[in-house]
Amino acid sequence: GENVEQHPSTLSVQEGDSAVIKCTYSDSASNYFPWYKQELGKRPQLIIDIRSNVGEKKDQRIAVTLNKTAKHFSLHITETQPEDSAVYFCAASYGQNFVFGPGTRLSVLP
Amino acid sequence: NAGVMQNPRHLVRRRGQEARLRCSPMKGHSHVYWYRQLPEEGLKFMVYLQKENIIDESGMPKERFSAEFPKEGPSILRIQQVVRGDSAAYFCASSTTGEGNTEAFFGQGTRLTVV
Repeated sequence: GENVEQHPSTLSVQEGDSAVIKCTYSDSASNYFPWYKQELGKRPQLIIDIRSNVGEKKDQRIAVTLNKTAKHFSLHITETQPEDSAVYFCAASYGQNFVFGPGTRLSVLP
Repeated sequence: NAGVMQNPRHLVRRRGQEARLRCSPMKGHSHVYWYRQLPEEGLKFMVYLQKENIIDESGMPKERFSAEFPKEGPSILRIQQVVRGDSAAYFCASSTTGEGNTEAFFGQGTRLTVV
């Protein structure tokens, strides 16, 4: 089955710096890769997603890149702000389902 | 659109009791996923359902856990004879299709505490 790994598990950056979170997946049939942000005590919320027919997608300060050959995808957050502090989960489609990575706890220090 | 609704938000049960968690998907969504999240951990898939059908229950423990999504009403995750290890946050998500390539929206979760 699909296996999704995510690194780093924790990440601290200074406000205004960039943050990068990387994920790898194992099933070459996966074709949809969403990223979710979960603030403490709240629900996971989709922040950006990418499908296998594109290599990059950007939405304001957030971008995602996908390398299908290497089976990895990354989340890039630029100009980080304290409100970006949360746990971020990547996921990869697997048949009719999703497999989530273990999460990255991002702390943006003021 | 009220979004994915889960209730109760918090549930306390004594060991050996039953827990029933409800999930009403977004309007127009007919696919529901249930996940379990332990403190400081990720989202572990439990079960995927369509109306009146269990599509994938590979993440469900073999005993004590069951799920349904009837033609009318919310999806129900049922845990019988709860034990302390069942304490966790249980999230459901819904989507318009079950192809794994459309956005899944999450509910607020039910935080189950077994005492």
